[in-house]
Amino acid sequence: DVKVTQSSRYLVKRTGEKVFLECVQDMDHENMFWYRQDPGLGLRLIYFSYDVKMKEKGDIPEGYSVSREKKERFSLILESASTNQTSMYLCASTVHGGNTEAFFGQGTRLTVV
Amino acid sequence: TQLLEQSPQFLSIQEGENLTVYCNSSSVFSSLQWYRQEPGEGPVLLVTVVTGGEVKKLKRLTFQFGDARKDSSLHITAAQPGDTGLYLCAGNTGFQKLVFGTGTRLLVSP
Repeated sequence: DVKVTQSSRYLVKRTGEKVFLECVQDMDHENMFWYRQDPGLGLRLIYFSYDVKMKEKGDIPEGYSVSREKKERFSLILESASTNQTSMYLCASTVHGGNTEAFFGQGTRLTVV
Repeated sequence: TQLLEQSPQFLSIQEGENLTVYCNSSSVFSSLQWYRQEPGEGPVLLVTVVTGGEVKKLKRLTFQFGDARKDSSLHITAAQPGDTGLYLCAGNTGFQKLVFGTGTRLLVSP
């Protein structure tokens, strides 16, 4: 059974903390993505990576960074967490090429207090 | 930024009713996907439509891709409580990434 696994389901962090969200996939997919999900806004792309050590900004990269040192692992970093980063974060992976299915993790609900 | 607007945002119906969800954009996409997300889980792919005007059926669900490849619709016949969830359309930009719609939350009551 193919899997994308996010390290935490729920996280509570304080304003100003550095936060790491981890995502691992076991499908040998080239592309990996981080989205945030907010009611009424759908999924908005933060960053994506199409290869190890490669990254591209999505639509809302401000306040975030990413790391992809290994093909199977894609990390999202909140450099200094703020309350407006309270959200559901979803990781996804796909193979290279168009029209491919995105496989998602179960999500991490992050609350910044 | 390419935008995909879905309507309605929320739909509450009784079991057995029919419904249609719309996904509209001013951008052209190489393909359009529909996902369903249940509480506490990530979205799961339902279908991919590729050709303008294409219609695909998945049991009681019918998906259509607009002729100009800018819009899509999802029609559910005789909805059941198991259809409850968040429905998301997603457009493939052709650059390895998906642009997601704003989502339609469906509640089907027995």
